[in-house]
Amino acid sequence: NAGVTQTPKFQVLKTGQSMTLQCAQDMNHNSMYWYRQDPGMGLRLIYYSASEGTTDKGEVPNGYNVSRLNKREFSLRLESAAPSQTSVYFCASSELREWNNEQFFGPGTRLTVL
Amino acid sequence: AQTVTQSQPEMSVQEAETVTLSCTYDTSESDYYLFWYKQPPSRQMILVIRQEAYKQQNATENRFSVNFQKAAKSFSLKISDSQLGDAAMYFCAYRRGQAGTALIFGKGTTLSVSS
Repeated sequence: NAGVTQTPKFQVLKTGQSMTLQCAQDMNHNSMYWYRQDPGMGLRLIYYSASEGTTDKGEVPNGYNVSRLNKREFSLRLESAAPSQTSVYFCASSELREWNNEQFFGPGTRLTVL
Repeated sequence: AQTVTQSQPEMSVQEAETVTLSCTYDTSESDYYLFWYKQPPSRQMILVIRQEAYKQQNATENRFSVNFQKAAKSFSLKISDSQLGDAAMYFCAYRRGQAGTALIFGKGTTLSVSS
């Protein structure tokens, strides 16, 4: 049981390049989330998927797209990376039905855009 | 919109002592949950403790306890008998009662522990 996995762990991009961050969970959770963490800002929600087949914007969605590929996988795509997207990205998942709905986090991806 | 405020960017404590981290939140909803997450240098987010808004009793988990003041919208974390391994960034987070909703985080408090 690996929990939530993210690939890659580190990435350096040049401005204008594109890339996809991958996230997978093996806990059979319905809901998945993408957050970004910047110094002094805490974690902010980019996009989330409450259940398979649905996605919704969060607080900071500009410059990103997401795909809920299946129940296990939720990817985040940067079409044209910008230096402002330099950040640590976290994927998380939770069970939709449980009352306490604890979110389980992946190890994060540190992305640098030059 | 809901907001979470952590007014202490940094705190320090000596081993075996007690420290309290502050958190306030703003919401107009009656059904919600509150969490404290720990983020050590490894970056992994670890759930420390959670509180259901409908429960009056404060949550406790071993050396960690909260002081939940619903009317004041305050949710502080108390760490007793501090250990070197408690050194980390601590985030307070809020979630609406509806399942499948995301967390709203405060900006975090960096806790250092000295021997």
